Formats: sequence, C-alpha cells, structure tokens
Amino acid sequence: AQSVTQLDSHVSVSEGTPVLLRCNYSSSYSPSLFWYVQHPNKGLQLLLKYTSAATLVKGINGFEAEFKKSETSFHLTKPSAHMSDAAEYFCVVSPTGNQFYFGTGTSLTVIP
Amino acid sequence: DAGITQSPRHKVTETGTPVTLRCHQTENHRYMYWYRQDPGHGLRLIHYSYGVKDTDKGEVSDGYSVSRSKTEDFLLTLESATSSQTSVYFCAISEGALRTGELFFGEGSRLTVL
Repeated sequence: AQSVTQLDSHVSVSEGTPVLLRCNYSSSYSPSLFWYVQHPNKGLQLLLKYTSAATLVKGINGFEAEFKKSETSFHLTKPSAHMSDAAEYFCVVSPTGNQFYFGTGTSLTVIP
Repeated sequence: DAGITQSPRHKVTETGTPVTLRCHQTENHRYMYWYRQDPGHGLRLIHYSYGVKDTDKGEVSDGYSVSRSKTEDFLLTLESATSSQTSVYFCAISEGALRTGELFFGEGSRLTVL
C-alpha cells in the first residue's frame, strides 16, 4: 500500500530562518518522490523530484530534499525563508510513474 | 509552462444541474487526471485516463463521469450537481514513466453548487 504523511499541517517561520517541512511515505515499490508548491488561487508547481539518482535533491528557489530510505522520509528544507515562500506544500509519492499519492499539505507562513 | 488549459475557470450552478469541465493539453501526454481539492483533504483523485477512451476510477469517483475522445481533451461531467461537489477541480497530465514522469497541473476550475 502507498501512503504519504505530512507531519505538520501548519508551519510558521520568521523571514531569514530555516524551513523544514516533513514528509514520511510508505510504498511497496522503490518510488519517485516529489514536492509541489501551491500559491493562493494557483495550480501546483513542481519544486523538486527524487527519481533514484542522488539522494539529496535540489529544486527551484533554494529548496532541497533528502531521500532517506531507512527512515522512509523525504523532508523539504530551505536555509533561509523568504516572504514569497508562503504557500501550501504537498509531498507526493509515485510507485509506478502513473499513479500519484498526495499528502494533505503543509501551509507555510513566513513572518516578516 | 506545460500547455494545460481548464475551462471554465469559475462556475456557479444550482443543485441538480449538469456540469462539464474541460481539460485541454498540448503536450501529447498519455495520462490525464482529474483531482478535487478541499480544505483538510489535499488533492483527491476523481478519475484518470491512460489513453483515448481508456479511463478508470479514482478514490472519489461517485457522482462523476469522464470521457476522452481525443488525446488532448479530458472532460469531467457532473450529471446532477450537489452541494458536496463544491470544490476546486484540477486537471493534471503525465507521461507516465516511473523515473521521468511527473504531474503537470492546470490552473484549476472553481465550482460552486448552490
């Protein structure tokens, strides 16, 4: 069975401080993993993806994520939050490439 | 940006009326998906298609039907809309390959059923 758990529904950080959004998954296969971002009233945009190459994945806007198979985790990080990072973030697992399982999302607030 | 267009972008309708949402892609991707997004639920799959005239149900398919007569178009129909179908609907496309596939999303269609 496949599932994705985003451990925090809301995260607040101050501008300029690190961001950590947590994601754990379960999968019967060796999956691909993704983080998507959704700004208000917009569609979802791909931040980064893991597809079995390097375990540390770099994405757009300074975000990165590390795939840890032993912990079944794929946490999203950024060294320094910017006001424009305020959005909803979704962790997604794909065991087959044509089926996608979504977490329920983490809302990131950035405090000036 | 991936070429995905959803129409209409906004619609208000009354309970019991039929509604059709359209998704059009210019990427020639094999897989197309309809999701609904509701607070606290993330995105939930309604139906998906893996080719022309090939469709399958997702986790929340009751009350919805789909059709795909051409590679580029995927229609979502609510035969008789209910207030519980008030939501934001997203179309997505994918090549379907494990190590290269990813989802590309449209801008969404906001449906309000009164």
